[in-house]
Amino acid sequence: GIQVEQSPPDLILQEGANSTLRCNFSDSVNNLQWFHQNPWGQLINLFYIPSGTKQNGRLSATTVATERYSLLYISSSQTTDSGVYFCAVPSFVTASKLTFGTGTRLQVTL
Amino acid sequence: DAGVTQSPTHLIKTRGQQVTLRCSPKSGHDTVSWYQQALGQGPQFIFQYYEEEERQRGNFPDRFSGHQFPNYSSELNVNALLLGDSALYLCASSRDGGYNEQFFGPGTRLTVL
Repeated sequence: GIQVEQSPPDLILQEGANSTLRCNFSDSVNNLQWFHQNPWGQLINLFYIPSGTKQNGRLSATTVATERYSLLYISSSQTTDSGVYFCAVPSFVTASKLTFGTGTRLQVTL
Repeated sequence: DAGVTQSPTHLIKTRGQQVTLRCSPKSGHDTVSWYQQALGQGPQFIFQYYEEEERQRGNFPDRFSGHQFPNYSSELNVNALLLGDSALYLCASSRDGGYNEQFFGPGTRLTVL
């Protein structure tokens, strides 16, 4: 099945700093989702981005499907950004089954 | 617009028991998927229901079963609970057979003693 790797696994930032999270996947995909999992376990949808670039406030994402990676940018980080960030992709074969990456654990400190 | 809801929030069971978890999808969604998330890991796909039938299944034993009702809500049943079944169980809903963005509920945290 499709493999999804995320980097870095852990990230500690001071409030106000910027960061880039990376998601690599092993096969062709027709969409990709980024999630933020808060400390209570809720997965919050950030982006649904099969290709190109999208922006939502301080967050933006870029997916380059032909090169099999996606990037999530967080600017001017806040303590509320802390948590685990996952990317998830379906394969072309089982298009509605999401395979998740291992996640990036982000801690934003004052 | 209500999001995906799950019940119960937390559950404690003992080995060998059976458990039923429930999920109501977002309004307008017809597909429900279930995922298991062990501590420190990403969610793993269990199965998906569409038109009241199991359409896809991940690498989980037959102890894991489910059901989808005509109103699109769904149940996850786990029989003969093992300690290793302790996890956060997440339900996701999507529209048009699941080939669209998936939205997750808050999860049910199951502890098996």
